[in-house]
Amino acid sequence: EDQVTQSPEALRLQEGESSSLNCSYTVSGLRGLFWYRQDPGKGPEFLFTLYSAGEEKEKERLKATLTKKESFLHITAPKPEDSATYLCAVQAKTRSNDYKLSFGAGTTVTVRA
Amino acid sequence: GAVVSQHPSRVICKSGTSVKIECRSLDFQATTMFWYRQFPKQSLMLMATSNEGSKATYEQGVEKDKFLINHASLTLSTLTVTSAHPEDSSFYICSATTSGRFNEQFFGPGTRLTVL
Repeated sequence: EDQVTQSPEALRLQEGESSSLNCSYTVSGLRGLFWYRQDPGKGPEFLFTLYSAGEEKEKERLKATLTKKESFLHITAPKPEDSATYLCAVQAKTRSNDYKLSFGAGTTVTVRA
Repeated sequence: GAVVSQHPSRVICKSGTSVKIECRSLDFQATTMFWYRQFPKQSLMLMATSNEGSKATYEQGVEKDKFLINHASLTLSTLTVTSAHPEDSSFYICSATTSGRFNEQFFGPGTRLTVL
């Protein structure tokens, strides 16, 4: 069974204080690892998909990296508007090609001005 | 592009009634749609996968007769919660993907269901 573990559960940052979120995963065969941002009472907003170890993707203050066992989401010089819950999900290669996502519990980031 | 909408955004109903939630892909054809449930401060739990024109595939532990899913067209899937009870109160979110772009899954804004 696919497992996704995110840490820390919550992260409180001062504006400008860079930090990293961790996503550890166990999957039989990785098709892709996804990062989403979710604001309270809203659906997840797509950020990145990573496919193979060594891959990196960037978007504004966010940078996602991938190894064979984990992914990191780096937040550089965060601003209060970066406050959200960040969700990690894996998509496994399956015989049925069902393209399901298995989500971690998320990391709630709060950035204080 | 890749916008998914849900309706209604909030619904309050009495115990024992049925509630229908719609999920629409506005600017692309969704060959596959997924339904999730999210309890407060918890992550998304997949309930079922629906492909256009065929029966939904439910995850283990999800009652098919209670959560009826219909994916009648390439832009619309519906989730009907039958005989709702207070324990069905949750945040229901759909997502959609399209053939050839399964690396992209786009989510709707969610529907907050409260059963009194």
